[in-house]
Amino acid sequence: LAKTTQPISMDSYEGQEVNITCSHNNIATNDYITWYQQFPSQGPRFIIQGYKTKVTNEVASLFIPADRKSSTLSLPRVSLSDTAVYYCLVGERPGANSKLTFGKGITLSVRP
Amino acid sequence: GAGVSQSPRYKVAKRGQDVALRCDPISGHVSLFWYQQALGQGPEFLTYFQNEAQLDKSGLPSDRFFAERPEGSVSTLKIQRTQQEDSAVYLCASRLAGAYNEQFFGPGTRLTVL
Repeated sequence: LAKTTQPISMDSYEGQEVNITCSHNNIATNDYITWYQQFPSQGPRFIIQGYKTKVTNEVASLFIPADRKSSTLSLPRVSLSDTAVYYCLVGERPGANSKLTFGKGITLSVRP
Repeated sequence: GAGVSQSPRYKVAKRGQDVALRCDPISGHVSLFWYQQALGQGPEFLTYFQNEAQLDKSGLPSDRFFAERPEGSVSTLKIQRTQQEDSAVYLCASRLAGAYNEQFFGPGTRLTVL
């Protein structure tokens, strides 16, 4: 049973705020939600992590409703360089020996 | 600062050849992970080291895959008798010890087996 479900792709335009959703209906009490970004020919890059409510950093915001069965990654004012694959991961808060479990991710295409 | 580096970036092998892929983690990072990423898919876990100890190799697809990290820094992923289904990008990631730290990925090695 897949831990996370994301749409395959989405399009946006430069300057827009983009909200990318992820479903994780079977999230466990100890699970955290983490988002990674991957550009072509590069390894994934950590964006943000949260457990509940809202988390914000210099790159993005993560919104998690009370039931935690979904989450939304919000990217403010995207640019062409935000075109990438975005992965939503659910798992126990990473300790030193926690492997990451990726799904297929969602391809975000930002147009001029 | 220096990130995770991997070499070679691209490798073409004939079916049946052995290959060795190298990962240089960020200095001081205790944990090291290898992932395999097929075209159009997310990365899949292969194996994990803490210092020189290989603590989890549950993701290695067959006994043709072998990884080592003898001195707790550089790691090598070796694939013996390569098959076409081994064609993928092999990603290495490292992380500081302790909780809450994200994994830092290298650019990967794209392996093509003909």
